[in-house]
Amino acid sequence: AQKVTQAQTEISVVEKEDVTLDCVYETRDTTYYLFWYKQPPSGELVFLIRRNSFDEQNEISGRYSWNFQKSTSSFNFTITASQVVDSAVYFCALSEAWIQGAQKLVFGQGTRLTINP
Amino acid sequence: NAGVMQNPRHLVRRRGQEARLRCSPMKGHSHVYWYRQLPEEGLKFMVYLQKENIIDESGMPKERFSAEFPKEGPSILRIQQVVRGDSAAYFCASSPGTPWADTQYFGPGTRLTVL
Repeated sequence: AQKVTQAQTEISVVEKEDVTLDCVYETRDTTYYLFWYKQPPSGELVFLIRRNSFDEQNEISGRYSWNFQKSTSSFNFTITASQVVDSAVYFCALSEAWIQGAQKLVFGQGTRLTINP
Repeated sequence: NAGVMQNPRHLVRRRGQEARLRCSPMKGHSHVYWYRQLPEEGLKFMVYLQKENIIDESGMPKERFSAEFPKEGPSILRIQQVVRGDSAAYFCASSPGTPWADTQYFGPGTRLTVL
């Protein structure tokens, strides 16, 4: 069975600090997809990134970066020079390989990140 | 370029009433997913639909819950005879159904409160 674990329930840092959100996953599939979503206080879910299992390149997008390591089944998310607007709940998610169009997501419990001014 | 739309954003029902949640996918998206988020929890998959077809409903409770995605109009998640435990945020997501490169985009959610 698939499982996503976000061990950090809550993180609180001061603005401009770097912060890393951990995500560990379990799957028996050899092809799978990993995602990060952001849920700000307003409640909507915002897509941040998708990573395919066969692509282990790390990715950087502005202050955001993602470190994918298949050897440790981890897909960690780092925010550099954090800002108050980064305060949100962040979810890591996993989906199986594409089979007849079905790609349901399995979510972690989420990490509530608070950036203090 | 409108995103996924859900309405209503907030819905209050008394125990025993029916709740109808609507979802209009992004333009060009033919795949719709429904997820439920209980308070302080992550999202749990409920059902996956394509036009006029339920593809996977493995996450749907066996009773009182149903979903449809008609040929015309939005997808509907219907909860009959609501109970307090149904209080949650219900999110709809849509995707274009691109093999091996699909991404689900979420709507703003419907917050259901059962009194």
